[in-house]
Amino acid sequence: QVQLQESGPGLVKPSETLSLTCTVSGGSISSYYWSWIRQPPGKGLEWIGYIYYSGSTNYNPSLKSRVTISVDTSKNQFSLKLSSVTAADTAVYYCARSLPDIVVVVGPFDYWGQGTLVTVSS
Amino acid sequence: DIQMTQSPSTLSASVGDRVTITCRASQSISSWLAWYQQKPGKAPKLLIYKASSLESGVPSRFSGSGSGTEFTLTISSLQPDDFATYYCQQYNSYSFLTFGGGTKVEIK
Repeated sequence: QVQLQESGPGLVKPSETLSLTCTVSGGSISSYYWSWIRQPPGKGLEWIGYIYYSGSTNYNPSLKSRVTISVDTSKNQFSLKLSSVTAADTAVYYCARSLPDIVVVVGPFDYWGQGTLVTVSS
Repeated sequence: DIQMTQSPSTLSASVGDRVTITCRASQSISSWLAWYQQKPGKAPKLLIYKASSLESGVPSRFSGSGSGTEFTLTISSLQPDDFATYYCQQYNSYSFLTFGGGTKVEIK
């Protein structure tokens, strides 16, 4: 059974960089797309971006200038960096898996991590 | 970007009711739509993909329909475990994946 686990600081200061890692267990990180998705308290879901195991990425245009997603296949991990954070970046951050699709490239999110709350505050 | 609009935002229903949630896309997404269920403090769970395909292990009382710009999620007989928030998500545009705003199903 594939499991995803987010890890990283729960508190980040304004203007600093938020860094999270997602560790994949029970399966290989190869051959899938891996996303970061966030949910501000009491609000809806926002896709941040994804990375293919080979390293190709796609980011939400509204966050693209501040986001970097990377993958480490040797550790079965992928990571998120979000720079210049503000209070608006306070959210539960989820990592999730998608199967590749030959028509639309990336499929829906079939496995999710439990989520980790990141608060931006001084 | 493709905007997804769900209605209603909140729905009050009783156990045993038939419930329908609507999701509209700002442009055609063919059948590239997924539905998720989220309970408080938990990650979303995939229910339906490709508009009408039931994810493995999901009860058959859940069904999805639609194509193009209008989609529905139906729960044929609402169970106590189904009180949750439901989200639609389009994956027609691989460069920008988007979710609907959510529909909270509450106990009447």
